[in-house]
Amino acid sequence: EVQLVQSGAEVKKPGESLKISCKGSEYTFTDYWIGWVRQTPGKGLEWIGIVFPGDAITRYSPSFQGQVTISADKSISTAYLQWRSLKVSDTAVYYCARHVAYSRSSWYKDVWGNGTTVIVSS
Amino acid sequence: DIQMTQSPSSLSASVRDRVTITCRASQSISKSLNWYQQKPGKAPKLLIYAASSLRSGVPARFSGSGSETDFTFTITNLQPEDFATYYCQQSYSSPPTFGGGTMLEIK
Repeated sequence: EVQLVQSGAEVKKPGESLKISCKGSEYTFTDYWIGWVRQTPGKGLEWIGIVFPGDAITRYSPSFQGQVTISADKSISTAYLQWRSLKVSDTAVYYCARHVAYSRSSWYKDVWGNGTTVIVSS
Repeated sequence: DIQMTQSPSSLSASVRDRVTITCRASQSISKSLNWYQQKPGKAPKLLIYAASSLRSGVPARFSGSGSETDFTFTITNLQPEDFATYYCQQSYSSPPTFGGGTMLEIK
């Protein structure tokens, strides 16, 4: 079964750094884009960005550009979402999701990770 | 960014009912529209892509239609496991954006 398994919940203080992970299994990790989605009660689901593990190309939403870093290590089939300096407003559930192109420019997310809860509080 | 507006934001229905959710895009998105189901504490699940294509393995009681700016999502013969929150999402232009969700509750 194709799966994405995410790292566990985190509780951090403002200003701290954090890197969460998403490990793919039962498919060729380098053939698909992996993206990250944030979910909060106030703003709902927001797309953060994606990485293509085959060549590490990344794309970001303008809203998140410069705020986070997305990367991947294809040798261990794992994608990452990283913060240098967390803010209280980064408190959310973060999902990774496999992105599949079904036409030249249209995509869907067919496999999702189990979610990582990040709480940032002083 | 393209804004996606879903209505209603919540809906009460009974088992075996038929329900319809609408999703409107702030500009034309052709048929680049996906629908997801999310249950509490779980990740979203893809149900429909390209506005009307049913994902393999998804029951045929789920359907979608529409194009350009106006889309509908319908569940016929509601089953107990269908009570969840549903989201539309456009993939026409980056960044992909989601609707605010429709919470489907048992009446």
